[in-house]
Amino acid sequence: NAGVTQTPKFQVLKTGQSMTLQCAQDMNHNSMYWYRQDPGMGLRLIYYSASEGTTDKGEVPNGYNVSRLNKREFSLRLESAAPSQTSVYFCASSEDTWGTDAFYEQYFGPGTRLTVT
Amino acid sequence: DAKTTQPPSMDCAEGRAANLPCNHSTISGNEYVYWYRQIHSQGPQYIIHGLKNNETNEMASLIITEDRKSSTLILPHATLRDTAVYYCIVRVAWGANSKLTFGKGITLSVRP
Repeated sequence: NAGVTQTPKFQVLKTGQSMTLQCAQDMNHNSMYWYRQDPGMGLRLIYYSASEGTTDKGEVPNGYNVSRLNKREFSLRLESAAPSQTSVYFCASSEDTWGTDAFYEQYFGPGTRLTVT
Repeated sequence: DAKTTQPPSMDCAEGRAANLPCNHSTISGNEYVYWYRQIHSQGPQYIIHGLKNNETNEMASLIITEDRKSSTLILPHATLRDTAVYYCIVRVAWGANSKLTFGKGITLSVRP
């Protein structure tokens, strides 16, 4: 049981290049999330997926697209990378069932450190 | 959404209790208090959560004031491995707004 895995661990891009960050979870969770963390800051939600087949914008969605490929995988795409997107990206998942008051903790992956020059 | 206020940093001696405060004066009746921590360069880790009653698990205790406007996370016997950034978060437990909003947190340094 690997939990939440992310690839790649590190990436350097030039301005204007595109790339996709991959995230997978093996806990059969319904919900998945993408966050970014800038130096000295807390995490900010980019996009989330409450269940397979649905995605919604978070706090800072501009410049990103996501795909919930199946229940296990949730990818984050940068179409045209900018230096402002230099950050550490964390993927998370939880068993949340929207519309209930049950609590399920979010499990985080190890992060992808992205530098855009 | 309710917001939280935490001091930027604190320290404590190894083996002593670490009491991490959090203010959430605008918390709504259906919002829970959650604590996560982030050890350097790793993804955040869930610690504990509560609504109005005090809670305890194998990692920590959570004390919520009667008016729910503030809370304290207690690590009873801090170790060097507890050095991390601790985030206090409030959110509803369900629905479209059931997302975590991380502030800057409080940096706890445990000294030998």
